[in-house]
Amino acid sequence: EPEVTQTPSHQVTQMGQEVILRCVPISNHLYFYWYRQILGQKVEFLVSFYNNEISEKSEIFDDQFSVERPDGSNFTLKIRSTKLEDSAMYFCASSNTRGNSPLHFGNGTRLTVT
Amino acid sequence: AQSVTQLDSQVPVFEEAPVELRCNYSSSVSVYLFWYVQYPNQGLQLLLKYLSGSTLVKGINGFEAEFNKSQTSFHLRKPSVHISDTAEYFCAVSAGGTSYGKLTFGQGTILTVHP
Repeated sequence: EPEVTQTPSHQVTQMGQEVILRCVPISNHLYFYWYRQILGQKVEFLVSFYNNEISEKSEIFDDQFSVERPDGSNFTLKIRSTKLEDSAMYFCASSNTRGNSPLHFGNGTRLTVT
Repeated sequence: AQSVTQLDSQVPVFEEAPVELRCNYSSSVSVYLFWYVQYPNQGLQLLLKYLSGSTLVKGINGFEAEFNKSQTSFHLRKPSVHISDTAEYFCAVSAGGTSYGKLTFGQGTILTVHP
């Protein structure tokens, strides 16, 4: 069964550094998402992306965050200047329609900011 | 806006016993409801979803859930659990439409099945 793949599985970075988290969604999917889960807290929606633009974003998704689909297969989340509170598990997800098809999640990237 | 409350953070149960994981939600609009499971070091996998129609929804691995609009609940049940059901379970809602993929999650329930 096709899967959403995320790389790396664990990323350690220093505060203030830029980090790019990478995702390869399922190939025929059209809708893409990023979620995050801070340790001990709920999984939170960050952003949805369709037709090469952001469809919706949460309050968390401020100017430090950006998303891109650079080459038609990858879907990336960039954090421009990481803060300690950005440490979390970041999940990518994709779906092939907006209607009733389920979101398929990747295994996540654990980001640790030191 | 929507919110989801999972009433139990941890549920221990013996193998072959029944289990119910509770989920309550609040929303000012009609919602779609989901249960996801997360096994260690893996992503979130959809167990089942309620979009419309029959309020009793059957999912994978023998799980089912019942949508109760008057009680704003969507409890997950399994009549007989296996060791392999040990995982974290998340209830989630979305408003549908253009916000279909914007899921609001509960805090998760860790189900531990003991032999």
